[in-house]
Order: sequence, then C-alpha cells, then structure tokens
Amino acid sequence: EAQVTQNPRYLITVTGKKLTVTCSQNMNHEYMSWYRQDPGLGLRQIYYSMNVEVTDKGDVPEGYKVSRKEKRNFPLILESPSPNQTSLYFCASSRITGRITEAFFGQGTRLTVV
Amino acid sequence: AQKVTQAQTEISVVEKEDVTLDCVYETRDTTYYLFWYKQPPSGELVFLIRRNSFDEQNEISGRYSWNFQKSTSSFNFTITASQVVDSAVYFCALSDSSGGSYIPTFGRGTSLIVHP
Repeated sequence: EAQVTQNPRYLITVTGKKLTVTCSQNMNHEYMSWYRQDPGLGLRQIYYSMNVEVTDKGDVPEGYKVSRKEKRNFPLILESPSPNQTSLYFCASSRITGRITEAFFGQGTRLTVV
Repeated sequence: AQKVTQAQTEISVVEKEDVTLDCVYETRDTTYYLFWYKQPPSGELVFLIRRNSFDEQNEISGRYSWNFQKSTSSFNFTITASQVVDSAVYFCALSDSSGGSYIPTFGRGTSLIVHP
C-alpha cells in the first residue's frame, strides 16, 4: 500500500529538549516536504527536498533542520524546541518529474512544547 | 512564481444547501496540475481530485463537482446538498514546472461548516 508514515502521531515535550519526527515513504518519490499547520494560517512549508542530499528552505524554516540521506526518509529535527513550535506537522511526498502525482500526506504529528 | 488563493477563509451553511469553494491560481506555465484535498476534523489530509491544464472538462463525483476555467484561472469546487459530514477544511493546490520540477503549492484552505 502506498503510504507516507510519520512518527510519532502525538508528542508533548519540554522547551529545549531535542526531538526528531520521522517520515518515510514507500513510493520512490523524489520530492518530500514538511509543513506545519496552525489555525488561520493554512499549510506553511518548513523545508523540502527534491532528491537525496538536496534540501531547501520553505517559508518557515527557523528552528528546524532536515536531512535526506535516503530517498525514502526525511526526518524533521527540532534541536531546541520552543512553545511557538507547538503545531500540527505534516510530511508529504510526491513525484515531480515524469508522471506527476498528487502529494501524499502522512497522518500528521501533533506537537506540544511546554 | 506560482500562487494559489482561496479567498474564503470560512463558509457556514445549513445542511442541504449547495456550496462553492473558490480557488484562483497564478502560473506562467502552460502545463500544470491542480488538486483539491479535504481535511476532516480528525486531521488527516484526503486527496479528492487531480486535473491537468489540458483537460478543462468539468468533473462530477456524486455530490462533488469541479469547474476548471483556464480563462479565469479558477478551479472551483461545489458540494451539492451539503451534509454535516462535509464539514472540513478544503485545500486547493497547484503544481507547475517552476524550478524545473512540479513542486506543489497550497492555498491557505477554506473551512466549511455545515450545520444540521
């Protein structure tokens, strides 16, 4: 089954404690991306990757890091989380060359930083 | 540059009313793709439809229909005889070849509330 898997689904953490949200896709998509969703602001892109070892900043990259060492994985790293990073996070992947696909989304990670 | 505008932030209707969600896009490309997604209260993002720029035929799927008009750069979504289960946030998205690959850009979403 084609899917994007995010873990964990829910996370409560304290300010300053490093955390990683994992994302994995099984569709061999080139493109992967992280979004955060906050009330009234829609989906805002944090980082994206167009292929292995190719990453770039989205609209709201401050406070986040990513890596793309393998095509299937695109973890989101918060080195020192702060309360303003409390949000709903989505990972997405899609094919962006050849036969273009829609974006496939993970189920979301609801992060609370206290 | 590409841009997707969903000017309606929130729409409130009573069950059985028809409702149209607007989506206006900007692109310089002649080849591009448009999408709609639904986000119910449970939070997941559900893909609804994909259209390419060469196919302007309107599409109907049950109570859902989509009106793609290149002349006005719009891809509007209509729900006929709305139901409470249609309450959700709906996102429109565009992929064009800016930058050499079809990276998707999302609108801010329209929150639809259907009252019983």
